[in-house]
Amino acid sequence: DAKTTQPTSMDCAEGRAANLPCNHSTISGNEYVYWYRQIHSQGPQYIIHGLKNNETNEMASLIITEDRKSSTLILPHATLRDTAVYYCIVRPADYKLSFGAGTTVTVRA
Amino acid sequence: SAVISQKPSRDICQRGTSLTIQCQVDSQVTMMFWYRQQPGQSLTLIATANQGSEATYESGFVIDKFPISRPNLTFSTLTVSNMSPEDSSIYLCSVEEVNHWNTEAFFGQGTRLTVV
Repeated sequence: DAKTTQPTSMDCAEGRAANLPCNHSTISGNEYVYWYRQIHSQGPQYIIHGLKNNETNEMASLIITEDRKSSTLILPHATLRDTAVYYCIVRPADYKLSFGAGTTVTVRA
Repeated sequence: SAVISQKPSRDICQRGTSLTIQCQVDSQVTMMFWYRQQPGQSLTLIATANQGSEATYESGFVIDKFPISRPNLTFSTLTVSNMSPEDSSIYLCSVEEVNHWNTEAFFGQGTRLTVV
């Protein structure tokens, strides 16, 4: 069972920041927030993960609220190649992934 | 990061036949998984492929329909048996690498199966 809620779809403009929300109000203390994305006709790709602190890597930033009930994935400068389905997943570090429906992000020129 | 090769990348099969999908990883991994992605849907975990023992299947999936082999730490196969058009999906192999602070999953490119 997916324990997250994400918008079905969203559009963003090329070059602008894309902010993808995720609600996970039933998250447990030992569960991490993971983000993956799936570009059309490819396997899912890991983006970033976090437990309670905000995280940043070369792809994105992850902002987790203090109560950990929601988070936002930020793509700082969206490009056309960022068009994909983005999955927010919560799970313990050593447990299997459970994919929900995700958010279909379309970056427009 | 692990590199995963899946074969075949796609196939068209007759109903009633079986297809075996291969997954090769470029490094030894403990955890290997098989997923199914039906058209327009998200990924659903079929089973965990355990090295040296029988696979662990998720609810709704059975060994007779999806037999899995895991002869070593770098290779696994998934067979889709007695296929019907409802088995038309993308089948993906996944591995996980665990270090002291992170568990990261890597996915193959998938096998696109069409059953006619």
